[in-house]
Amino acid sequence: NAGVTQTPKFQVLKTGQSMTLQCAQDMNHEYMSWYRQDPGMGLRLIHYSVGAGITDQGEVPNGYNVSRSTTEDFPLRLLSAAPSQTSVYFCASRTGPSGYTDTQYFGPGTRLTVL
Amino acid sequence: AQSVAQPEDQVNVAEGNPLTVKCTYSVSGNPYLFWYVQYPNRGLQFLLKYITGDNLVKGSYGFEAEFNKSQTSFHLKKPSALVSDSALYFCAVRDITSGSARQLTFGSGTQLTVLP
Repeated sequence: NAGVTQTPKFQVLKTGQSMTLQCAQDMNHEYMSWYRQDPGMGLRLIHYSVGAGITDQGEVPNGYNVSRSTTEDFPLRLLSAAPSQTSVYFCASRTGPSGYTDTQYFGPGTRLTVL
Repeated sequence: AQSVAQPEDQVNVAEGNPLTVKCTYSVSGNPYLFWYVQYPNRGLQFLLKYITGDNLVKGSYGFEAEFNKSQTSFHLKKPSALVSDSALYFCAVRDITSGSARQLTFGSGTQLTVLP
């Protein structure tokens, strides 16, 4: 199993540009989520999904959109990039919403810089 | 609401000495507690978790953590530190009795440096 994969690894955008961060998992996990990591702030939840066709907002959803058309994929879209969105983005997955005790697996991250 | 505090941004320890990385939590119900490690330019890797049962939990790479309900703490420990343990460590909590049951809340992280 490849686990959780993310592309690209690095990206530089200009203010106002849009882009999609890709995330895929091959573990048949129902639950997937996106976090951003900023120095001194830990990881903050952006959006999450409990299954195909179902998404919900996390702690910091503004400026981001998600969709979940398949179990495997959970892309994150930046609608109009802003310098405040400069961060490292992590995708994660685990077994279904009832899997409270289950370990969450993380992708390698995407380092995004918005100029 | 659930929250996690890691009171130390940085912990330095000499190789071979015991190490402790501190974590305290706040939940309204029963906590599920996790420790993750992040090496430079990598994603987070799972170390160990406390769900129920024995308060001392053993995990990967010789790490262990002790759940203390009265002190609402879940400190990460290792008897003998290695230089290769140098990394960023995150504590996380999930409270299944609240509406945010699906979400992990992370602490701000503690940078561990093991000096040769």
